[in-house]
Amino acid sequence: QKEVEQNSGPLSVPEGAIASLNCTYSDRVSQSFFWYRQYSGKSPELIMSIYSNGDKEDGRFTAQLNKASQYVSLLIRDSQPSDSATYLCAVNRGLSSNTGKLIFGQGTTLQVKP
Amino acid sequence: EAQVTQNPRYLITVTGKKLTVTCSQNMNHEYMSWYRQDPGLGLRQIYYSMNVEVTDKGDVPEGYKVSRKEKRNFPLILESPSPNQTSLYFCASSGQWNNEQFFGPGTRLTVL
Repeated sequence: QKEVEQNSGPLSVPEGAIASLNCTYSDRVSQSFFWYRQYSGKSPELIMSIYSNGDKEDGRFTAQLNKASQYVSLLIRDSQPSDSATYLCAVNRGLSSNTGKLIFGQGTTLQVKP
Repeated sequence: EAQVTQNPRYLITVTGKKLTVTCSQNMNHEYMSWYRQDPGLGLRQIYYSMNVEVTDKGDVPEGYKVSRKEKRNFPLILESPSPNQTSLYFCASSGQWNNEQFFGPGTRLTVL
């Protein structure tokens, strides 16, 4: 079992729809969770971080964390063609939130069609 | 402007010829990391550093060395590169209180 798992996609949604990206992780003691966006040929860019159970909203983005189910998700409302990218889920290993050890999922490719 | 810089951005070299990829950040971050990204394998951590003179192995450290003599710099050294080290390399940095990492632009390395 991979430590961080994501469906590679592609996930295709029409413009204006809600895109839902999912991620599961295996290390129960993980404390910090991140979503990065990576455009083709570019470096990953942090878009959301979440540290406690529940929802965290930032503009069109909502991150959801359920530590009991070891599940973290990212919702993108009113999806735009510019949201088309690969979305990487990342999990901090270990008990501490600042160990420097970060493991990434393989990413989900999102395609938003006009 | 807050940023992480890497040099070179592109490099083609031959097996066995030692090379160094430099990484520098201007955000006074304690943590710095190196990753490689390969199709189908995703981003994998090579080494990371928690502060000056403190480094630790990530998931794929074989064939790489790092040093952290100054807070802002974290070079990646390939003493005897091999073709299986052909990859896209990213340097990243983050502050001590969280692990929100900022990535450099990447270095595309080809080892022939």
